[in-house]
Amino acid sequence: DAGITQSPRHKVTETGTPVTLRCHQTENHRYMYWYRQDPGHGLRLIHYSYGVKDTDKGEVSDGYSVSRSKTEDFLLTLESATSSQTSVYFCAIRAAGGAEQYFGPGTRLTVT
Amino acid sequence: AQTVTQSQPEMSVQEAETVTLSCTYDTSESNYYLFWYKQPPSRQMILVIRQEAYKQQNATENRFSVNFQKAAKSFSLKISDSQLGDTAMYFCAFMKPRPQGGSEKLVFGKGTKLTVNP
Repeated sequence: DAGITQSPRHKVTETGTPVTLRCHQTENHRYMYWYRQDPGHGLRLIHYSYGVKDTDKGEVSDGYSVSRSKTEDFLLTLESATSSQTSVYFCAIRAAGGAEQYFGPGTRLTVT
Repeated sequence: AQTVTQSQPEMSVQEAETVTLSCTYDTSESNYYLFWYKQPPSRQMILVIRQEAYKQQNATENRFSVNFQKAAKSFSLKISDSQLGDTAMYFCAFMKPRPQGGSEKLVFGKGTKLTVNP
């Protein structure tokens, strides 16, 4: 257990509404990541952070924004949710100097 | 860009037997990491094993071992004495270290669904 929690764990929302997913870690790791998992695609990186206020885009960042105002929290925002953003979202952390990423329990998001 | 290919969408094995999951990757880098992650029905992503490209010795973790063939860009996972709890999706992943700034990123294959039958 790498001390990672995600909230909410499940959410159903309507097209066009804003949604924010939260990732919280308790071990002050520098690096944090957001992935989405879809059938037939594996996990794909959305955004990542390498420190407070330091973020960058991954391969599927369109329609998503992130913020990291403190070490322990990394927020993923869908400004205007679309049905194509129905997915399972995973947060991950990596310790500075380490290679492994450890994942949170995931959030299942359904956009109707 | 790096790509990771898992050519076996589904596999099954009898309890107590051995099974090998395949993974190939494409990169021009010489220094990198490879991982296998397990995702049981609970959906949790669990790190199974990791391999550093500069190490010739294959990594081993209890019943899990890898066959790392750097020249062939192959990284297979062998599960010995399969147990019912090994039933899961297995993902192969690649990471290229970055010397400074930014962050390393994991590139995943699409996964192999393994079923262990009693």
